[in-house]
Amino acid sequence: DAKTTQPNSMESNEEEPVHLPCNHSTISGTDYIHWYRQLPSQGPEYVIHGLTSNVNNRMASLAIAEDRKSSTLILHRATLRDAAVYYCILRRGADGLTFGKGTHLIIQP
Amino acid sequence: EAEVAQSPRYKITEKSQAVAFWCDPISGHATLYWYRQILGQGPELLVQFQDESVVDDSQLPKDRFSAERLKGVDSTLKIQPAELGDSAMYLCASSLVGLRRGANVLTFGAGSRLTVL
Repeated sequence: DAKTTQPNSMESNEEEPVHLPCNHSTISGTDYIHWYRQLPSQGPEYVIHGLTSNVNNRMASLAIAEDRKSSTLILHRATLRDAAVYYCILRRGADGLTFGKGTHLIIQP
Repeated sequence: EAEVAQSPRYKITEKSQAVAFWCDPISGHATLYWYRQILGQGPELLVQFQDESVVDDSQLPKDRFSAERLKGVDSTLKIQPAELGDSAMYLCASSLVGLRRGANVLTFGAGSRLTVL
């Protein structure tokens, strides 16, 4: 599986936008970019996914670079409940997701 | 909203004892996954089922771990005997099988926290 690189941690203020970066320079044409997050003491939760075009849903937006070698998860207005570990994962087939260490997002009140 | 059910939520056992975890996936989800998550690390895939068949168990320590999904619905993960290093969160997830396989989304349960003393 192609590898992703994320910062270990990021800090943001409540009610401000958050941009979480992910590099995936070895991505192949059929890899989907998935984002999951894991709140403390809970299982991972799906956030968003995309292939080539930018995507929006009720939780977040996903901006994908034109060459697809990087992407950014955007939380438009962070709340304290968004404090979690965010995982950027590439997925090609139906195999299980391969999790890295993710980005620990800290939200300051 | 449909959920993946797991039990028990917490389990404390002594080493060399047997322990079992149960998972009930979302109705209609043919694919079921078991993950292990050690504190401070990302989840690691242990086994993947497609209906009642094992698709991938390459990371399952088969000398002590076993998993089954007899009727292609709910599943059980067993550890016998438990060792101190097995202390972790055991997560179950399920997904539909669609034509665009890379786009399939996994739904995770809340997990079963195991502590081996």
